[in-house]
Amino acid sequence: EAQVTQNPRYLITVTGKKLTVTCSQNMNHEYMSWYRQDPGLGLRQIYYSMNVEVTDKGDVPEGYKVSRKEKRNFPLILESPSPNQTSLYFCASSLRGGLAGSGANVLTFGAGSRLTVL
Amino acid sequence: EDQVTQSPEALRLQEGESSSLNCSYTVSGLRGLFWYRQDPGKGPEFLFTLYSAGEEKEKERLKATLTKKESFLHITAPKPEDSATYLCAVQVPGYQKVTFGTGTKLQVIP
Repeated sequence: EAQVTQNPRYLITVTGKKLTVTCSQNMNHEYMSWYRQDPGLGLRQIYYSMNVEVTDKGDVPEGYKVSRKEKRNFPLILESPSPNQTSLYFCASSLRGGLAGSGANVLTFGAGSRLTVL
Repeated sequence: EDQVTQSPEALRLQEGESSSLNCSYTVSGLRGLFWYRQDPGKGPEFLFTLYSAGEEKEKERLKATLTKKESFLHITAPKPEDSATYLCAVQVPGYQKVTFGTGTKLQVIP
């Protein structure tokens, strides 16, 4: 089944304790992206990756890191989490990024990771 | 700055009562407008992509339309299973990102 898999789905942690949220897709997609979803603010992009070893900042990158060493994986790293990073996180991928058109830039989302930082 | 505004924030309909959701955008050169559906506890799922003013797309009870300033998602004779949050998103030239609106939460009552 074609899918984007995120782990963990739920996590409660404390301020300053480094954590990684993993994201993997099995569709051979080039483009991957991380979003956070907060009430009243909608989905906001954190980082995206056009392909292996190519990453760039989205709208809210502060406090996050990413890497894209393999095509299928795009982990989100919180080096020193703070309470304002408490949120629902989504990983998404598409066949292509940018102006691919013809449906190639339609995003497939993971099920989400709910993170609470105390 | 690119902006996407969805209205209303929430909408409650009786089963069979048709209505429309609005997505207005201020972007410099739209390249694509997307509609997604999000069920509670799940990630958004793709519904439609619209590329140019005047374009329309349909899927079951849903029909999406696009003008130069806004898009509408028309829901005809909705059923309770259409209850969800509907998200609008836009993509512009030169940017590798998709900007989302805050969504319209639709509740269809039997």
